[in-house]
This record gives sequence, C-alpha cells and structure tokens, in this order.
Amino acid sequence: NAGVMQNPRHLVRRRGQEARLRCSPMKGHSHVYWYRQLPEEGLKFMVYLQKENIIDESGMPKERFSAEFPKEGPSILRIQQVVRGDSAAYFCASSPDSINNSPLHFGNGTRLTVT
Amino acid sequence: AQSVTQLGSHVSVSEGALVLLRCNYSSSVPPYLFWYVQYPNQGLQLLLKYTSAATLVKGINGFEAEFKKSETSFHLTKPSAHMSDAAEYFCAVSVNSGNTPLVFGKGTRLSVIA
Repeated sequence: NAGVMQNPRHLVRRRGQEARLRCSPMKGHSHVYWYRQLPEEGLKFMVYLQKENIIDESGMPKERFSAEFPKEGPSILRIQQVVRGDSAAYFCASSPDSINNSPLHFGNGTRLTVT
Repeated sequence: AQSVTQLGSHVSVSEGALVLLRCNYSSSVPPYLFWYVQYPNQGLQLLLKYTSAATLVKGINGFEAEFKKSETSFHLTKPSAHMSDAAEYFCAVSVNSGNTPLVFGKGTRLSVIA
C-alpha cells in the first residue's frame, strides 16, 4: 500500500511564476492536510480538505494561495505569482477519517525554491 | 486555541544515554497529543499518540511519553540513545473535534554523539 505521494520533490520557480504542488493521499484516505515548513519554525497548518470540500483554510494566506481536492485525482496546492518568501518545504498529510481516530500520514514533501 | 511549546531547539546526547525531549501544551479542553519524527529530506512519521487512555504511552523505536495533566506536559523519553535516533522531533496537539487540524511545535533536533 503506497504511502502519501507528493510531486515534484523539488520545484524551482522564478518570482512571478506559478507553482503547483500535487498530493496523492494513501488509498482509502479522504482527508488531506497541507502544511508549510520553514527552518526553525516547525510546521504551520495551511488547509484541510475532504473530497471536493475545503473544511478549514484558516492557515492559508488570503492572496495567491489556493487548494483543491477533486473527486478524482490528487489534491493540488497552487501558488500564483510566487515570491521569495514562498520558498519552503510543503508537506501533505492524509488520514482515513478525523484526527481523533487516525493519525496523519505524511508525504516526503515538495521543496519549493523561488529565485 | 491549543498550542505546543518544545523546550530546546537542539538536544545533544551521547550514544547509550537517556533521551529527554520536552513538550508542554496549552489547551482549554482535553487534548490529543502526538510525537512525530522527521529524518532529513523526509516527511514526518508518527512515534506515538496519547488519546486519554493510558497516561504512559509507548511508541516505536523504544520511545515513550508520559501525559501529565498537572504539568501540561508530554515529554518524550528513551532510556538509551542510538545513533539512528538522530533526527528532528515534533510534538503536536489536537482536540476532540473531528475537524481540528494538528498544531505542531517548532521541533527539537536530536544529535547523538558516538
């Protein structure tokens, strides 16, 4: 049973370009979470999605960032018009149901570098 | 809102020595508490989880953590460090609400000296 798959592992974008980060949850998991990790700051929650629904986006910047988890296909975190401050590791995690009953399973992350 | 504080961004121990990584939480309701480990260039792996059953929780790789409500702590310990334990460790908290995401501490980097 494959784990959480994220791609690409590394992504380099120039300022102003768009970045698309993909996450395929574990088989049977319908809950997806995106986190951003900056050095010395730990993981910051960005958004929580279930199939076709955004449940909690309280950690998402108001502009340029969006996320989706369509009925078919991976979850996508999209960053428009990237800036240097967007450089970070972005982690996706999934679970079959709520956190109370099931821990999160993390992917290996996408490391975004904005030049 | 819940939060987690990890005391010490970097801990260094000798191989075979006791490992103690500190975590204090803040929550207005009974929490669920977690420890995760992250190896270089990888995602996070669950070490152990507290869900209000037993206060002493045993995890993988010989780690355990004790929930102390009076101290609002959930410190991670291992009696004897191994070189392979060198990694970054994160404490996280959630509450008994299905839609509440995990809140992570800033992490503690563990170095093991031969």
